[in-house]
Parts: sequence; C-alpha cells; structure tokens
Amino acid sequence: DAEITQSPRHKITETGRQVTLACHQTWNHNNMFWYRQDLGHGLRLIHYSYGVQDTNKGEVSDGYSVSRSNTEDLPLTLESAASSQTSVYFCASSDRVTGELFFGEGSRLTVL
Amino acid sequence: AQSVSQHNHHVILSEAASLELGCNYSYGGTVNLFWYVQYPGQHLQLLLKYFSGDPLVKGIKGFEAEFIKSKFSFNLRKPSVQWSDTAEYFCAALNTGGFKTIFGAGTRLFVKA
Repeated sequence: DAEITQSPRHKITETGRQVTLACHQTWNHNNMFWYRQDLGHGLRLIHYSYGVQDTNKGEVSDGYSVSRSNTEDLPLTLESAASSQTSVYFCASSDRVTGELFFGEGSRLTVL
Repeated sequence: AQSVSQHNHHVILSEAASLELGCNYSYGGTVNLFWYVQYPGQHLQLLLKYFSGDPLVKGIKGFEAEFIKSKFSFNLRKPSVQWSDTAEYFCAALNTGGFKTIFGAGTRLFVKA
C-alpha cells in the first residue's frame, strides 16, 4: 500500500541547532506539503511543492526551508531551531485531481 | 482572504447523543470541502469530502455533512456518537483547481461512555 513516512517521530533538540525532518511518500503524488499543528491554530502550512525542483512558502515559513530533488521526498529543515518551533509537524501529499490530502504519522519536535 | 472557521473548539457529549460541528468558509469561486479526523495519537485521515452534486455527503463511520452554498457552510453531523468518536475534527477547503488546502482550527470532541 502507498504511504507517507516521516522520521524521526520524536526529536528533542537545543535552540540554535539545525534540524531536518524527513518525509517520503510512495503515492507518486506531485504535490507535497509540510504543516505544523499547534493547539488552537489547527494546521498551518509551512512550505509546499508542486513537483521536482519546485518549492513555495506557506503562511508560516520563516525559519524553515525545503528542497525537492525527487518526487518521493520533501525534507523540512529548521536552519536554527527556536523554542517557538516546538510543535508537531505533518507531511502530506495530495491527489492532483481531488486535492485529498494523505498524511504521515507526524514528527513531534521539542526545542529546549 | 481565504479562511475556514469552526464554531466550537471543544465539545463534550454523552454516548448516543447527536453531533453537529459547524464549519464556515470564506473563499471566492468554487471550492472542494473536506472533513478530516485525527484520533488520539494518530495522523489525520479523511472523513468525507464534497466536490459537486448532492450537497449531502456521507462519509465513514456514519458521519455526514451538508454543503449549504448560500451560507458558506459545511457542517458535520452524526445522529448518535460513540465513545470511539473521541477525536479532533478539522474542516478544510480547497479552491477548485488549486493545490493549497486551508484548515480550520479544529474541534476536539470528547464522548463520555
């Protein structure tokens, strides 16, 4: 079965460190997304990609970057982690026709 | 600006009670509408979706939602909730032909056994 896998599932890091969250999908979807989930805010879009070599900023992109070198992977990098980036991060891909999102299991990041 | 708002952030019900969660969207043009559910400790998964046609759509586990264009609403309903429906529910909207889904803030439902 097709799926989206995220790693690590849990990470604790220190302020100022660089962190990369991996996302790998086997749906063969062109569209991929990174969201963060925080209580009271729902899901907020960080970055998204419509295909290889394409990346775009979402509503909360400051302090984050992504790269898309192939269809399957969209790693999310926190250049210099801040305590405000403590959150649960979800990677998703979407069906091109319906727009339905398929989510990974999430990565819980704690920045101390 | 495009937005999705959910009326209730927390809902507590007893088993067998009826459920209705409100959702309103602010979008220009035609939209696809979704309800996603997140069970405790799990990732989000699709509950139901509306693209066109019959405004009353049925999803998994007995859930349904009604699209009312004049009210820009897409409320979620279930006649009789179960303890296993305890979860967080997210309404979401996507412009037809677009690719960015906008989510509401979510509603946490707790069903008492």
